[in-house]
Amino acid sequence: ETGVTQTPRHLVMGMTNKKSLKCEQHLGHNAMYWYKQSAKKPLELMFVYNFKEQTENNSVPSRFSPECPNSSHLFLHLHTLQPEDSALYLCASSRQRAGGDNEQFFGPGTRLTVL
Amino acid sequence: GDSVTQMEGPVTLSEEAFLTINCTYTATGYPSLFWYVQYPGEGLQLLLKATKADDKGSNKGFEATYRKETTSFHLEKGSVQVSDSAVYFCALSDQGGANNLFFGTGTRLTVIP
Repeated sequence: ETGVTQTPRHLVMGMTNKKSLKCEQHLGHNAMYWYKQSAKKPLELMFVYNFKEQTENNSVPSRFSPECPNSSHLFLHLHTLQPEDSALYLCASSRQRAGGDNEQFFGPGTRLTVL
Repeated sequence: GDSVTQMEGPVTLSEEAFLTINCTYTATGYPSLFWYVQYPGEGLQLLLKATKADDKGSNKGFEATYRKETTSFHLEKGSVQVSDSAVYFCALSDQGGANNLFFGTGTRLTVIP
């Protein structure tokens, strides 16, 4: 596998379920990101990790819990979600976190539907 | 705060037509500017970028020029193809150190034969 991969590609869950989204990057990058993409809204940055440390949490509800065990893997744990959380969740990585115009590379996303 | 405004779509063009997608930005400092493209079922891919005023980014026949005086970064292509059908996102990156990307809402382009 090359680039940024995400699993699963599609997920349907009930409001009481617990599930996790996985992201893996094979680019040797040090920074990883979670974004939420909803229809007719700009991409929303949710979390940023740099060298496994969380450096940004954009007021994301606690029902979303990120985990970054190493620079190559990023998880988003989901618990008691709401229907309005249904969206495409995109993972991205970049070479380094701070400064300049470091290009972010995106995975294909996980299409989440909360019933 | 930093933000990007791009023209709402959808945009439908015939093959070989000229494309312009407008993008303006608001930022403190001197951001880098980007166009990303999202093909159906895929994540975003960087299409082109410009890091300072008057720079022109170009790729795959697409171009955009960083205009500081008008705070704009409009995307253009002289002759679109059916394969260009996708959603296009304008974005800016804070040069100050955080390196956050601020995206527009995206513009869906459909090119018909």
